[in-house]
Amino acid sequence: KAGVTQTPRYLIKTRGQQVTLSCSPISGHRSVSWYQQTPGQGLQFLFEYFSETQRNKGNFPGRFSGRQFSNSRSEMNVSTLELGDSALYLCASSSGEGSWPQHFGDGTRLSIL
Amino acid sequence: GQQVMQIPQYQHVQEGEDFTTYCNSSTTLSNIQWYKQRPGGHPVFLIQLVKSGEVKKQKRLTFQFGEAKKNSSLHITATQTTDVGTYFCAELITGGGNKLTFGTGTQLKVEL
Repeated sequence: KAGVTQTPRYLIKTRGQQVTLSCSPISGHRSVSWYQQTPGQGLQFLFEYFSETQRNKGNFPGRFSGRQFSNSRSEMNVSTLELGDSALYLCASSSGEGSWPQHFGDGTRLSIL
Repeated sequence: GQQVMQIPQYQHVQEGEDFTTYCNSSTTLSNIQWYKQRPGGHPVFLIQLVKSGEVKKQKRLTFQFGEAKKNSSLHITATQTTDVGTYFCAELITGGGNKLTFGTGTQLKVEL
């Protein structure tokens, strides 16, 4: 069974631009969560989607948004990029409510110049 | 908000030595999960503890959940170079969705 796939693996953007990251969960998994990892703040929860609905949201500004499609694939979008948005963005999937473990993808390394 | 702190932040050991990382919360945890992230890799689930005082073992790894469910520990016996990585504890918050609240992590380096 294929794991969680994230694309692209690396991305370089400049301040003010926007970016879209993609995540394909493990087949059959309906819950997709996004996390931001930085050396200073560690691993922080962004949001979680289940059956195309956002169920949970972390403490991030509205510039961070996401969506989930009917095939459970998910995208996250960051608008008006800031230098502080440079991070590893990780996607994790699980089968559903209260389920564990969370299976993580390899992440997208986003660098803002 | 609730914070899960881990100590130590870094640990260097000689191969064969033991290693322990501690996870502490200011509030009662419903569960605790442990993840390992190798350098350049992604977090990989190790185990989940749910019951007060629970102890689970995986080969050289021993996981404990405190009696008050406010702390947890991961102990590795006789470390090997393959144990290198950052170990995170996390609480899985359910009810209206899934949300992992991660601890600050302990970075382990093992020297020959």
